[in-house]
Amino acid sequence: GQQLNQSPQSMFIQEGEDVSMNCTSSSIFNTWLWYKQDPGEGPVLLIALYKAGELTSNGRLTAQFGITRKDSFLNISASIPSDVGIYFCAGQGPAGANNLFFGTGTRLTVIP
Amino acid sequence: DGGITQSPKYLFRKEGQNVTLSCEQNLNHDAMYWYRQDPGQGLRLIYYSQIVNDFQKGDIAEGYSVSREKKESFPLTVTSAQKNPTAFYLCASSYRSLTTEAFFGQGTRLTVV
Repeated sequence: GQQLNQSPQSMFIQEGEDVSMNCTSSSIFNTWLWYKQDPGEGPVLLIALYKAGELTSNGRLTAQFGITRKDSFLNISASIPSDVGIYFCAGQGPAGANNLFFGTGTRLTVIP
Repeated sequence: DGGITQSPKYLFRKEGQNVTLSCEQNLNHDAMYWYRQDPGQGLRLIYYSQIVNDFQKGDIAEGYSVSREKKESFPLTVTSAQKNPTAFYLCASSYRSLTTEAFFGQGTRLTVV
C-alpha cells in the first residue's frame, strides 16, 4: 500500500522554538489530515484540510494543503513540553477500494 | 457522546491462542479500518471495510481475520497463524466519501506470552 513521505523522522527542540514538518506524496489527495499520538494512545485528529492552497490554524498549530495537492506541512509555534509525541500526516485520495494513507510519523521531543 | 471504542485496553494471551479485539463506533461511519503499530513505527493497514458485509485485506492481513456484520462493529481476530502478534492495534472509522476525516480508538495493546 502507499505510504506518504514524512519528514523529518524525529526532532529535538528547545521549549519555545517553532517546529515544521511536512508530508509529500506521488499521488493527488482530496483531503490532508494531521494527527498527534501520545504514548500508548490512539492518534488524535489535529487539523483537517480540504482544499488545495488552504491554510488552517488550530491554536499554535498551522497546516497547509499544498497547491499541487501532493503535499502538506504542519507548523507548531512556541513549542511546549506537552507537544511531545508522534505526529502523523494522512491523505485521502480519489475514490477507490482504500483511499486513506498515512505518513511514517515525526517523533517530536521538546527539551524544557 | 459519539466516538469509537476499542476494548480491552490491554490484552494478554498465550502463544497459539486466537484472540478477538473489539471495535465499536456510534458515529454512523461507513468505513472502518484496523492498523497495527510496532514500537517506534508507523501504522500498517491490516484490514478495512467500506460497507457492511464487505471487507478487504490491507498490507499485512496474514494471520488476521475480520467480520463486518453490523455497521457499528468491526472485530479483529488475531489467529495463531500470526507469527509475531505482540503489538499495539488501532481501529479507525470514517465516512465513505471523497473528503472526510478518520477518527481513531484508544488502541489495544496485545501481548502474547
